[in-house]
Amino acid sequence: EIVMTQSPATLSVSPGERATLSCRASQSVSSNLAWYQQKPGQAPRLLIYGASSRATGIPARFSGSGSGTEFTLTISSLQSEDFAIYYCQQYNNWPPLTFGGGTKVEIK
Amino acid sequence: QVQLQESGPGLVKPSQTLSLTCTVSGGSISSGGYYWSWIRQHPGKGLEWIGYIYYSGSTYYNPSLKSRVTISVDTSKNQFSLKLSSVTAADTAVYYCASIRRFLEWPGWFDPWGQGTLVTVSS
Repeated sequence: EIVMTQSPATLSVSPGERATLSCRASQSVSSNLAWYQQKPGQAPRLLIYGASSRATGIPARFSGSGSGTEFTLTISSLQSEDFAIYYCQQYNNWPPLTFGGGTKVEIK
Repeated sequence: QVQLQESGPGLVKPSQTLSLTCTVSGGSISSGGYYWSWIRQHPGKGLEWIGYIYYSGSTYYNPSLKSRVTISVDTSKNQFSLKLSSVTAADTAVYYCASIRRFLEWPGWFDPWGQGTLVTVSS
């Protein structure tokens, strides 16, 4: 099973600042990685697939990069609606499809 | 725009079988471009993939749950279902259904998701 590790667990950022979230895979997942945003009481929403492709309707301030075992989600200028929990997910080696433990982005 | 909606009991007794249904609207479950999946989230925790089914009936399950999970599909109703047997308090979670985009004939990313339904296991 591929283990996905996200860091940091919590990221405190001021509105307008840049946020950088990391996701590491226990073995290479090529570019087969997705990112999701989850707000309290809501289902996760797809942000990024293929490590760097934005999903439909996702603002350009969200960008993904990386391949192999190291990935990054960058939010260029945090808006109030961006404070949430972010998860990465690999789909290169399965079963099982696996998620990271999440990074909570909170207001500083 | 495909939408998914979970339904089923919110309370299940220990040792019984949890049963949930996901109704797909805005698209056909038989379209072939997607797998249909269940994911759960324990309270305050991360996401755990349970399994998926293709419209043809082929399934893949998380090895950690495989002995207790059955996912089935009813194309005539545009629905798919989850059964989880011998439940304990550890199965208390929000259960989501979601579609998985087929990527090179294999499962890719989850999109969209249903709103989720909380299932509590308690006597």
